[in-house]
Amino acid sequence: QVTLRESGPALVKPTQTLTLTCTFSGFSLTTSGMCVTWIRQSPGKALEWLARIDWDDDKHYSTSLRTRLSISKDTSKNQVVLTMTNVDPVDTATYYCARIPYYDSSAFDSWGQGTLVTVSS
Amino acid sequence: EIVVTQSPGTLSLSPGERATLSCRASQSVTYSYSAWYQQKPGQAPRLLIYGTFSRATGIPDRFSGSGSGTDFTLTISRLEPEDSAVYYCQWYGTSPPKYTFGQGTKLEIK
Repeated sequence: QVTLRESGPALVKPTQTLTLTCTFSGFSLTTSGMCVTWIRQSPGKALEWLARIDWDDDKHYSTSLRTRLSISKDTSKNQVVLTMTNVDPVDTATYYCARIPYYDSSAFDSWGQGTLVTVSS
Repeated sequence: EIVVTQSPGTLSLSPGERATLSCRASQSVTYSYSAWYQQKPGQAPRLLIYGTFSRATGIPDRFSGSGSGTDFTLTISRLEPEDSAVYYCQWYGTSPPKYTFGQGTKLEIK
């Protein structure tokens, strides 16, 4: 059974750096083709893709946010970490991590429950 | 940057009817695909269709995906009350890998 769980601060101040952790089980990020990705959803808004990390440590970012994002993995802990620098109230959102399966990189087949992050002073 | 537009914004249909949800990408890109997700209030999205045509595990055959190039479609036949949700189209381009979501279609079952 594949599970993912996001963790991180519920509240961050503007200009601070946000660090989110995705802890997963039921698959390995060392399997060829496997990837983990981050997506966010502002309250009442649509989904927005943020970043992806691949089994071979390749990293891909949203064009609009690439200067503020960094994604990394710790395969020994089954964790993927996303950092976002210089946060702003517009970054208030539910942040999801999801798995991209080895057999098809076009979609996200398992999602975490999401973690709500509020950016406010 | 690719913009993905979904239509209609809201769809209200009766049980047993067929729903057709559309998704259009702003550019045609070689090797692009669509995926579709269902999201109910307070829940994470659930994958329905990947690779434009393939149903995800456990998804009934009432759900089908089609399309190519810039235009993609999700069809839900024989609507059931539990199909009420927001449906998101997601575009995927391979070089380099990029994912773009549409703004969603809210499906209401009368």
